[in-house]
Amino acid sequence: SAVISQKPSRDICQRGTSLTIQCQVDSQVTMMFWYRQQPGQSLTLIATANQGSEATYESGFVIDKFPISRPNLTFSTLTVSNMSPEDSSIYLCSVGGDTGELFFGEGSRLTVL
Amino acid sequence: QKEVEQNSGPLSVPEGAIASLNCTYSDRGSQSFFWYRQYSGKSPELIMFIYPNGDKEDGRFTAQLNKASQYVSLLIRDSQPSDSATYLCAVKAAGNKLTFGGGTRVLVKP
Repeated sequence: SAVISQKPSRDICQRGTSLTIQCQVDSQVTMMFWYRQQPGQSLTLIATANQGSEATYESGFVIDKFPISRPNLTFSTLTVSNMSPEDSSIYLCSVGGDTGELFFGEGSRLTVL
Repeated sequence: QKEVEQNSGPLSVPEGAIASLNCTYSDRGSQSFFWYRQYSGKSPELIMFIYPNGDKEDGRFTAQLNKASQYVSLLIRDSQPSDSATYLCAVKAAGNKLTFGGGTRVLVKP
């Protein structure tokens, strides 16, 4: 399985600010996936990031709020823009495995005050 | 109706007993099924995956699929306190999207 590193691991932010989360993979991957896990909830897919094209967003998520970059096959960023307390969540970067499974980074725990 | 449903628990199990978890899914075209374990404050880790061609056993874990009834189960034999975690069921239909259930919290009591 790939080694996936996320930064920051946690942060406390003020309402109205933006935060960019970085995800680095130790091997080249075609697709990277960004998930959100709100407190006490399961995982919800935000978007799929392909290198060289715009990210594909799931229903309920928009590019203006969650812009994503994918400059190469080992790196991606997710920005949470104009944050509100409702954005307090764990944000997880993931990549696919050979048998269809997903492997996750350690997550970025975001608290918005 | 949610696409993947699980009983949120907690499922309380004495140490050494069998923990039985279930997951139902709505998409009949689903082809791949996964169980993840998530410890508090950690990210999910894959523990089992099964394709629709039979059950799968790995150590103390057994995953079973019933396609006709559209449910997947996970059995944990000889439960240990270290098995206390939230177990997430995930289902993949056509394409690459993995849909997760809400998770079942398991508590193994010594």
